[in-house]
Order: sequence, then structure tokens, then C-alpha cells
Amino acid sequence: DAGITQSPRHKVTETGTPVTLRCHQTENHRYMYWYRQDPGHGLRLIHYSYGVKDTDKGEVSDGYSVSRSKTEDFLLTLESATSSQTSVYFCAISEPGQGKNFGPGTRLTVT
Amino acid sequence: QQPVQSPQAVILREGEDAVINCSSSKALYSVHWYRQKHGEAPIFLMILLKGGEQKGHDKISASFNEKKQQSSLYLTASQLSYSGTYFCGTEYGGSQGNLIFGKGTKLSVKP
Repeated sequence: DAGITQSPRHKVTETGTPVTLRCHQTENHRYMYWYRQDPGHGLRLIHYSYGVKDTDKGEVSDGYSVSRSKTEDFLLTLESATSSQTSVYFCAISEPGQGKNFGPGTRLTVT
Repeated sequence: QQPVQSPQAVILREGEDAVINCSSSKALYSVHWYRQKHGEAPIFLMILLKGGEQKGHDKISASFNEKKQQSSLYLTASQLSYSGTYFCGTEYGGSQGNLIFGKGTKLSVKP
């Protein structure tokens, strides 16, 4: 069984619509992260969580919000999707001092 | 603050060696290394903590030079399976495990 899953895996949406991506883990890790990956930019941190209801912004957080009401779930919401948010989104989990385990990714296209 | 990786790309024949460098302009707490194959999630390879240690993992090893704020990834006797893009992720003190990733080094191993 995969320790970290993401849903949906692919999504096409229209500009201006809200979108929510879900990350689910079965590892009981404290830290959860949302990254986006774009050609030429590598992986950039959007938001992260260090516990239930404890979240903070990363380097590219504008236009995104997150919530974590349970240890296992970390939701990323695009409040009003724009074409610049077309990207591949990765969720990751870790414990302090350990490497990050990445989910399979969600490919989001905003038309 | 984004670390600089070099080279950007390298092509090898099976059995050849390669070195990938990751340099930071700011004092590092730790360096992570990941490999990503096309269309897949990044996979954690190893973490090096402040202290200048060297780690090994099969024929892949890495070093961390605290004085130079630089880490190097060594791939010896490369195999076809080593192909992919390698990312370093740098962590700074007080960053709660957040990493800033380099833009990646694309490694292609040919038969």
C-alpha cells in the first residue's frame, strides 16, 4: 500500500474556478508539504504543515490556501485558478531530520 | 537563496563516473539529494547534516563541505537506471525542515 496518495491525479479546470487537491498519508508523519514543479524552476514550496491545524506559507503561496484538520490529510485550495497555476503539484511528508517522501503528483491544467 | 547545481546536464556511457555539485551562498544546516525520472515523483537518496560527513548508498555517495557551503554527489560505475534528473535541496537553520531545491541536473546514461 502506498504511504502517500494524491487526488485527483489529473485535472483540467477553467480560469476563475476554485480547485482543491488532496494529499493523504498513512505514515502518521508530522510534516506535510505542497510543492509545485515547473520547467526551469525545479520544486518550489507552496505551503507546509507541522501539525494538525498548524500551517505556514512557503515561497510561492499567493493564490493558494491549505488546511489540515486531521494528521493524515492536507488539502491545497486554489481559490480562483489562473493559467499561471498550471503545473504539477507534489505533496510530501517527512519527520524531522529525515528525507521527504513525495506523493505521485497531480497534473493540473487551467484553461 | 536557491542553490546552484552544476552541471545542468551530463551524458555518460554505462560504467563511467559523474559528479554533481550543489552550492549555496548561505550557511547550510543540511543537504538532501533526490532523483526524479520523467513523469514520476522525486525519490529521496540521502541527507547530509552539518558536520561535513560523507554518505554512501550502493555506488552513489555524497559529501558536504561546510566551509564551502557545497555538497557533491558522486555516481560511480554508472548504470542505465541512474538516468534521471538529480535535485539537491538545501535546508537552513530554523527552517523547520523546509528545503529550497536547485533547478536540477539531467543525467543520461547510454549503453
